[in-house]
Amino acid sequence: EIVMTQSPATLSVSPGERATLSCRATQSVSNKLAWYQQKPGQAPRLLMYAASTRATGIPARFSGSGSGTEFTLTISSLQSEDFAVYYCQQYNNWPRTFGQGTELEMK
Amino acid sequence: DVQLVEPGGGLVQPGGSLRLSCAFSEFTFSDYYMDWVRQAPGKGLEYVSSISPNGDVTSYANSVKGRFTISRDNSNNTLYLRMGSLTVDDMAVYYCARRASGCYDYWGQGILVTVSS
Repeated sequence: EIVMTQSPATLSVSPGERATLSCRATQSVSNKLAWYQQKPGQAPRLLMYAASTRATGIPARFSGSGSGTEFTLTISSLQSEDFAVYYCQQYNNWPRTFGQGTELEMK
Repeated sequence: DVQLVEPGGGLVQPGGSLRLSCAFSEFTFSDYYMDWVRQAPGKGLEYVSSISPNGDVTSYANSVKGRFTISRDNSNNTLYLRMGSLTVDDMAVYYCARRASGCYDYWGQGILVTVSS
């Protein structure tokens, strides 16, 4: 099973600043990598797929990059609604696996 | 909008059984793979099971294989998860999710399953 590791576990950033979240896989997943945002009491929401493609309705301040084993989600200018937990997920191999999450908190 | 409604769930004793269902509206259910994903309290997301559009292919996480059964009724646009031999490790919020190109583009609101005596 591919293990996905996210770093940092918690990231403290001020509104308007840039946030960079990382996700690493134990073996190559090509570009089969998705990012999700989850707010308390809500279901996850798809942000990015194929590592760098924004899902429908996702603002342009969200961007993704990477391939193989190293991936990054960048939020260019944090808005108040962006503070949440973010998960990466690989869908290159079975079983599909998720990272443990990065909590993005307001500084 | 896509709606994935998940009635049912609740409290069950260890060793017991429960069936979850997930009904939807406004997308062609029979066109999509559908999955169940769970989230233990305060924890991350875990793939549970998936089913092909016509129901002929299913898969399961090792942690639930032999205890859980996924099924679907395309005539009623409903996804099911029959869970048996439940343990405290199965306690989680269970989400149904539509799978498109490998990732999950729509999620149900989730249902809490509590396993306790």
